[in-house]
Amino acid sequence: DIQMTQSPSSVSASVGDRVTITCRASHVISNSLVWYQQKPGQAPKLLIFAASSLQSGVPSRFSGSGSGTDFALTVSSLQPEDFATYYCHQTDSFPYTFGQGTKLQIK
Amino acid sequence: EVQLLESGGGLVQPGGSLRLSCAVSGFTFSNYAMSWVRQAPGKGLEWVSAISGSGDRTSYTNSVKGRFTISRDNSENTLYLQMSSLRAEDTAVYFCAKDQTYSSSTYYFDYWGQGTLLTVSS
Repeated sequence: DIQMTQSPSSVSASVGDRVTITCRASHVISNSLVWYQQKPGQAPKLLIFAASSLQSGVPSRFSGSGSGTDFALTVSSLQPEDFATYYCHQTDSFPYTFGQGTKLQIK
Repeated sequence: EVQLLESGGGLVQPGGSLRLSCAVSGFTFSNYAMSWVRQAPGKGLEWVSAISGSGDRTSYTNSVKGRFTISRDNSENTLYLQMSSLRAEDTAVYFCAKDQTYSSSTYYFDYWGQGTLLTVSS
């Protein structure tokens, strides 16, 4: 199975900050990487697919980058509604594994 | 408006069985692959199973293979997950999720239900 490792596991930041979350795959997955946002008690929300394509309706302050094994999700200027848990997800090879999550908290 | 509504969760004893349902609306169900994704209490996400739009192709994560069966009824716009030989480690919120890509399986999901909780305990 492909292991997905996110870093950091949690991060504290302030409104207006720029934050980057990284995700490393244990094997090459090309650009088959997706990012989700999840708030407590809610279903995940698709943010980024194919490593860097912004999902329709998602604010442009979210961006994704990377290919191969190393990926990143950047939020350019944090807004109050961005404090949540973020998951990367590889869609290259069965089984389609998720990272362990990064909790973004208010400082 | 796309909607996915899971039902069927509850408390089951170890070794028991249960069937989850996911009723969908707002899109042409048969044109999209669907998946089940679960989340144990306080834990991360785990992809469980997927089925093609026509229902002729299915896949499962290793830990549920042989115990869970995914199916769909395109005439009723409903997705199912039949679960048997349930274990404590199957305890989770189970989400149904719609594949984003028309007529293909790309295993990323643009719409999700709100989830249904399965608790396996004696």
